Amino acid sequence: GAGVSQTPSNKVTEKGKYVELRCDPISGHTALYWYRQSLGQGPEFLIYFQGTGAADDSGLPNDRFFAVRPEGSVSTLKIQRTERGDSAMYLCASSLWASGRAEQYFGPGTRLTVT
Amino acid sequence: TQLLEQSPQFLSIQEGENLTVYCNSSSVFSSLQWYRQEPGEGPVLLVTVVTGGEVKKLKRLTFQFGDARKDSSLHITAAQPGDTGLYLCAGGGGSNYKLTFGKGTLLTVNP
Repeated sequence: GAGVSQTPSNKVTEKGKYVELRCDPISGHTALYWYRQSLGQGPEFLIYFQGTGAADDSGLPNDRFFAVRPEGSVSTLKIQRTERGDSAMYLCASSLWASGRAEQYFGPGTRLTVT
Repeated sequence: TQLLEQSPQFLSIQEGENLTVYCNSSSVFSSLQWYRQEPGEGPVLLVTVVTGGEVKKLKRLTFQFGDARKDSSLHITAAQPGDTGLYLCAGGGGSNYKLTFGKGTLLTVNP
């Protein structure tokens, strides 16, 4: 079956611009996560959705970052007024249900470069 | 704050050698997941361990979860160049079910 997909695979934008990153989870998975990975680091949690609602957005670095999942499937991560420090790999993961033991499956990521 | 420390950070070995990668924490996790990541790609799930003392084998890879569910190890037998990649351990649990990742072990297997 199809895995998690993310678009675009690469995004180059100028400082101050607005960007949207899209995630299409595995069909039937109710939980969706966004992570950010900087070079030489492991992924860091940003936000978690259970269904349509953001169950925990404590990992979002500031109010320039926002994510939605309006129909409980596809999610969009939105970054306003991008800064060079936002450059990173943005990863989306989904799991069948939300549990400390649930396996999370990752997409290929979106490489964001802010110039 | 839950932290996972992986060691070694870098490992370069010859084809056919054995190796062990460690993942340690002072926190207890509900599960421990191991991923392998290629450059420019997302992490690919290798295994999930959930029971203290659990051992799982995946071909030449052996994964172990510590009795106290605070640490884990990955052992590779007779490494091959195709094993090259970044190995990440991630602890699951907590109220938001997020994964807490280590920084990874970058493995290079030379032919």
